[in-house]
Amino acid sequence: EIVLTQSPGTLSLSPGERATLSCRASQSVSSNYLAWYQQKPGQAPRLLIYGASSRATGIPDRFSGSGSGTDFALTISRLEPEDFAVYYCQQYVSSLTFGGGTKVEIK
Amino acid sequence: EVQLLESGGGLVQSGGSLRLSCAASGFTFSNFAMSWVRQAPGKGLEWVSGISGGADSTYYAGSVKGRFTISRDNSKTTLYLHLSSLRAEDTAVYYCAKQLTSVVTDAFHIWGQGTMVTVSS
Repeated sequence: EIVLTQSPGTLSLSPGERATLSCRASQSVSSNYLAWYQQKPGQAPRLLIYGASSRATGIPDRFSGSGSGTDFALTISRLEPEDFAVYYCQQYVSSLTFGGGTKVEIK
Repeated sequence: EVQLLESGGGLVQSGGSLRLSCAASGFTFSNFAMSWVRQAPGKGLEWVSGISGGADSTYYAGSVKGRFTISRDNSKTTLYLHLSSLRAEDTAVYYCAKQLTSVVTDAFHIWGQGTMVTVSS
């Protein structure tokens, strides 16, 4: 099973700042079969990025995904108030597993 | 508009059974794989089970294999999850999710609002 480790656990930033979230895989995620989700309290997750770098429909271009192999990142170029949430990465090359999540909170 | 509406959650005793349903609308249901993903209170996401668009392939997480059964009725555009031999650690919100394509090994494109399952010991 591919284990995904997300860091940091919590990121404290101010609106307007840049956020960089990391997702490291225990083995290579071939074909970049990696996705990112956003989840707000009391809500279902929302797909942001798939294929490591493709934005899902309706996702603002301040969200971008990058990486390959075992190291991936989600970048939010300028944080908006609605971006403070928990973010999960997920791989779908071998079964389906999620990382433990990164909480982006207001500093 | 694509919509997924889960139902069937509730309080059940340890060792009991439950059937969850997910009514889908707004897309050609049989063209897409579907999955169940759960989230224990205050915890992260865990994929539970998935089924291909044509229902010819089913997959399970190790933690539920042999106890949960996924199925779908494409004529009714409904996804099901039968939970049996329930344990306290199965307590979670269960989300129904539509995948990007007809294969289970894909990202989760659309999510329902979830249904809560509580297993009492």
